[in-house]
Amino acid sequence: AQSVSQHNHHVILSEAASLELGCNYSYGGTVNLFWYVQYPGQHLQLLLKYFSGDPLVKGIKGFEAEFIKSKFSFNLRKPSVQWSDTAEYFCAVNAGEYGNKLVFGAGTILRVKS
Amino acid sequence: EAQVTQNPRYLITVTGKKLTVTCSQNMNHEYMSWYRQDPGLGLRQIYYSMNVEVTDKGDVPEGYKVSRKEKRNFPLILESPSPNQTSLYFCASSLSLGQASYEQYFGPGTRLTVT
Repeated sequence: AQSVSQHNHHVILSEAASLELGCNYSYGGTVNLFWYVQYPGQHLQLLLKYFSGDPLVKGIKGFEAEFIKSKFSFNLRKPSVQWSDTAEYFCAVNAGEYGNKLVFGAGTILRVKS
Repeated sequence: EAQVTQNPRYLITVTGKKLTVTCSQNMNHEYMSWYRQDPGLGLRQIYYSMNVEVTDKGDVPEGYKVSRKEKRNFPLILESPSPNQTSLYFCASSLSLGQASYEQYFGPGTRLTVT
């Protein structure tokens, strides 16, 4: 069955701490990978995406993610978080073998303490 | 302004009373999709449409219907809503799938409560 796993449902960090949110998927073939962010009361916005090429992808607001094919992972990172990064983060995968669906992880709620 | 709009934004209804949530995009996108968001479950795809008159089931289609008669509109229909359909619903659109242009643009969400 298709699945996308996000390891932590809640993360609490202090400002300036480093962030890494885990994402693993269970598809064996070609995948397109995404991280979306949902700020409180707002709709989802794309942070970054990976289709091919350099496995280290840089997105908006200082976020980056690394695709490690051998580990089926696409972890999101930020060296120094800010209070304004408080949001819910979703990993999503489009796997060619499953056609035109986009499968989301359960989300990770990040709270940054000022 | 490029956007995806949904109406209504909030809706409280009773079990069994048919309702429609509208979704419209002004970006000439081919692909449109509906998701529901529930705590701890993330977003789950209900239905999607690759183009006009082409729709297909997502992961949780039971109790929902959709139609795509025009490229810009993709309404979600609940023929007989039940309390387990209480959720936050998002419509999304994108140019295409499998290409670098594939970024889904999301609407603001519709919070539905079925009593």
